[in-house]
Amino acid sequence: AQSVTQLGSHVSVSEGALVLLRCNYSSSVPPYLFWYVQYPNQGLQLLLKYTSAATLVKGINGFEAEFKKSETSFHLTKPSAHMSDAAEYFCAVSAGTGNQFYFGTGTSLTVIP
Amino acid sequence: NAGVTQTPKFRVLKTGQSMTLLCAQDMNHEYMYWYRQDPGMGLRLIHYSVGEGTTAKGEVPDGYNVSRLKKQNFLLGLESAAPSQTSVYFCASSRFSGASYEQYFGPGTRLTVT
Repeated sequence: AQSVTQLGSHVSVSEGALVLLRCNYSSSVPPYLFWYVQYPNQGLQLLLKYTSAATLVKGINGFEAEFKKSETSFHLTKPSAHMSDAAEYFCAVSAGTGNQFYFGTGTSLTVIP
Repeated sequence: NAGVTQTPKFRVLKTGQSMTLLCAQDMNHEYMYWYRQDPGMGLRLIHYSVGEGTTAKGEVPDGYNVSRLKKQNFLLGLESAAPSQTSVYFCASSRFSGASYEQYFGPGTRLTVT
C-alpha cells in the first residue's frame, strides 16, 4: 500500500524567502512521486515528478524536490518565494502498475508581501 | 486541444435528487478517474477506469456510480444525493510519460447538496 503525509496544512513565507513544503511517503515498492499545485478554483497542475532517474528533480516555476530514500521524503523547495506561488500544494505517490495515485491532504502556501 | 473538461461547473441539489457529472478528454488517454476534494482531506478516489467499458471502485465509492461507454467520456452519477456528498469533484485522465503515468485534471465541479 502507498500513502503520503504532508506536514503542515498551512505554511506562510515572506516574499523572497525560501519555500519548503514537506512530504513523506510510504510504499512497499519503489515509488513514483509527484507534486501538484492548485490555484484557487482550478484543477491540479503537475509541478514535477520523481521516477528514479535522478534524486533531485526540477519542475516548473523554479520549484525542485529531492528524493531521499533513507528518510522516505520528497520535500518541495523554491529558493525565493513569489506572490504568484500562493496556492495549495499536493504531494502524491503511485507505485506498482503506476496508474493509481494517492494524494496527501495538501499544504496551503501563503506569501506575505 | 481542450484537455479535460467537466460539466457542469456548479450544481445545487436537494437531498434525494439525482444527477450526472460529465468528464470528457480529447487526449486519447486510456485511464480516467473521479476524485472528490474536501477540506483537510486532500483528494480521494471515487472510481476509476482503465479503458472503455471498464470501471473499478476507488477509496470512497459508496453512493456513486460510473460509466465509460466511450473512451473519451467518464460519467459520475449520484442516484440519491446526500448532504455528505457536498464536495468539489475532479476528473482526471492519465498517460504514460517518461517512465511513469501522469495525471491531467479538469477544472472541477462544485456540488452542494441541501
